[in-house]
Amino acid sequence: QVQLQESGPGLVKPSETLSLFCAVSDGSIRSYYWNWIRQPPGGGLEWIGNVFYSGSTSYNPSLKSRVTISLDTSKNQVSLQLTSVTAADTAVYFCASQEGVSYYFDNWGQGTLVTVSS
Amino acid sequence: SYVLTQPPSVSVAPGKTASVTCVGDNIGSKSVYWYQQRPGQAPLLVIYYDSDRPSGIPERFSGSNSGNTATLTISRVEAGDEADYYCQVWDSRLDVAYVFGTGTKVTVL
Repeated sequence: QVQLQESGPGLVKPSETLSLFCAVSDGSIRSYYWNWIRQPPGGGLEWIGNVFYSGSTSYNPSLKSRVTISLDTSKNQVSLQLTSVTAADTAVYFCASQEGVSYYFDNWGQGTLVTVSS
Repeated sequence: SYVLTQPPSVSVAPGKTASVTCVGDNIGSKSVYWYQQRPGQAPLLVIYYDSDRPSGIPERFSGSNSGNTATLTISRVEAGDEADYYCQVWDSRLDVAYVFGTGTKVTVL
């Protein structure tokens, strides 16, 4: 079973860049799509985007201009960068795995809360 | 954009059956996935491909999908089933490929 652990700053200033990492263990990083999903406080789930080990990416159009998701196979790590953040980007950010032939998220990290505030 | 609408809340007595609906345009033509999210925890997949259960998910959880409505049914509800439940679909033709429902809080009375 794949284990996922998010990490990164819990506080980011408005207009700056949010950077998060997801450490992958107990599974091959080459076998899955790696997704980022977020959930604002008291709100629902929003898919941000994903990356496959080949390097191909897919993003939510509403965030596409500000998002970069990448994979570091040497470190078994997935990263998320979100630029020009505002208070609306305050959320719990989850990384989640998706088997290459499926369209659902079968393993999730515990999530990390990022607050955008000066 | 494609919208999946769920009732905000469902209340059910222990031992009874809870039904959570997920309404979307012609959702019956897509595969539906359901997640359980307990407070402070990450979502957990409980149903995939409309009605399949991952290993470890009790048989009390079942799903169906037809027309414009998908339904998650929890039979013989237990206190531990109290959680938020989200439906989700994927469709490459959508502007957003992965769409979640609005979420339903299931309260066990």
